[in-house]
Amino acid sequence: AQKVTQAQTEISVVEKEDVTLDCVYETRDTTYYLFWYKQPPSGELVFLIRRNSFDEQNEISGRYSWNFQKSTSSFNFTITASQVVDSAVYFCALIEVNTGFQKLVFGTGTRLLVSP
Amino acid sequence: DTAVSQTPKYLVTQMGNDKSIKCEQNLGHDTMYWYKQDSKKFLKIMFSYNNKELIINETVPNRFSPKSPDKAHLNLHINSLELGDSAVYFCASSPLRQATNEKLFFGSGTQLSVL
Repeated sequence: AQKVTQAQTEISVVEKEDVTLDCVYETRDTTYYLFWYKQPPSGELVFLIRRNSFDEQNEISGRYSWNFQKSTSSFNFTITASQVVDSAVYFCALIEVNTGFQKLVFGTGTRLLVSP
Repeated sequence: DTAVSQTPKYLVTQMGNDKSIKCEQNLGHDTMYWYKQDSKKFLKIMFSYNNKELIINETVPNRFSPKSPDKAHLNLHINSLELGDSAVYFCASSPLRQATNEKLFFGSGTQLSVL
C-alpha cells in the first residue's frame, strides 16, 4: 500500500529564513505522481506542484523549490526567504498509476508558522 | 466563477440528524471525489465517481451515501450523524478517470460540526 510520511508536524521560522519541508513516500509501483498542496488558514487546498516518477529534475518556482530523489524516496519542499503569507499547512501526496483511479493519498501535513 | 463549489460552507447539527452537502463543478470534468479532513488535518479519500459511476469507496460507513445525478454534481448525504463525523469535507474533481498527470481541483470545504 502506498504511504506518505511528513515527519515534521510543525515548523516555526522567522521571516526571511529558508525552510525545508520533508516528505518521504512508500510505493510498490514504478510509475507514480507526487504532489504538494498548500492549505492556508482560510482552509482551501491550493495545488503547488506535480512531479512524475520518471522526472527527477529539481524544480524552482520563485521562492519555492522541490528536490525529488528516488533513491531515498523523498520529495522535499524548500521555501527560500520565507514570508508571513507562507504560513499554512503543507501536504505532500502520492498517486500510484496502477491503481487505475486517481486516488490521491495525503501525508499528515506540516504546519508552517512564519513570524515577522 | 468558482470551479468547484460546495454548499454549505458551515453546517452545525445535532447527533442523529440527517444532512446533505452539495458539490458542483463547472470544469467539465468526468471524475469527482469526496475527501474528509479530521481535526488533526488528516485528509482521506471517501468516494470517487466517474460519470455518475461509483469507482472508489474507501470503507466508509454506510450512513454516508454519495449521489451523482450527473457528472457535474456529487452530493454527500449523511444519515444518523455522530460526533465523530465532525470534520471538514472537501469535494474535488479531475478531468479523466485515469488522468494521473492531472491535478485535483478542490472545493473550499464544508465544516461539519455535530453537537
